[in-house]
Amino acid sequence: GEDVEQSLFLSVREGDSSVINCTYTDSSSTYLYWYKQEPGAGLQLLTYIFSNMDMKQDQRLTVLLNKKDKHLSLRIADTQTGDSAIYFCAETPGGDYGGSQGNLIFGKGTKLSVKP
Amino acid sequence: DGGITQSPKYLFRKEGQNVTLSCEQNLNHDAMYWYRQDPGQGLRLIYYSQIVNDFQKGDIAEGYSVSREKKESFPLTVTSAQKNPTAFYLCASSLEYSTEAFFGQGTRLTVV
Repeated sequence: GEDVEQSLFLSVREGDSSVINCTYTDSSSTYLYWYKQEPGAGLQLLTYIFSNMDMKQDQRLTVLLNKKDKHLSLRIADTQTGDSAIYFCAETPGGDYGGSQGNLIFGKGTKLSVKP
Repeated sequence: DGGITQSPKYLFRKEGQNVTLSCEQNLNHDAMYWYRQDPGQGLRLIYYSQIVNDFQKGDIAEGYSVSREKKESFPLTVTSAQKNPTAFYLCASSLEYSTEAFFGQGTRLTVV
């Protein structure tokens, strides 16, 4: 079955770069996503990458996709204290879900702590 | 403003009682979803609906029920059959073939 794995914790200093890693198992995934969740709140889509892309950059965020290794990473440049949150990697499974993007398989989330 | 609204934000219920969580969206999205979030467990899909009057079970549907009588609304009932209902519940919606799912702010249910 589909599975998405992430490390649970990451701690960095303000101004450093953060790299959050994710591995997934479904090779037929069409989209891969990064969501941010602040305490007590819902999820906010940060960025996504289509499976035929290797890299996507959006301001301070860089997503790298290694489809051969099924590895996805999110790099946050110049990390700020406001970036402290839980970051979820998610994939759109192939097969019976019909391709609707909302049927996402989520990782358990990486809690990013940014120290001043 | 367009968006997806969950209510209430916090909900307390006694064990053995059914409780219904509200989810409303004015984004004109066809698809709506309920997820459950537990500490260290990520998000797990409870039910989803691609269209009005139709819905499918997700990975952990046991003890839950839903309805989709209107496009805008997808309420979730947590029944007394759900053995461990205390959790954070998230509703989401998307255009059927969109690249973005919008999430509500969540409802934290505590059963005592």
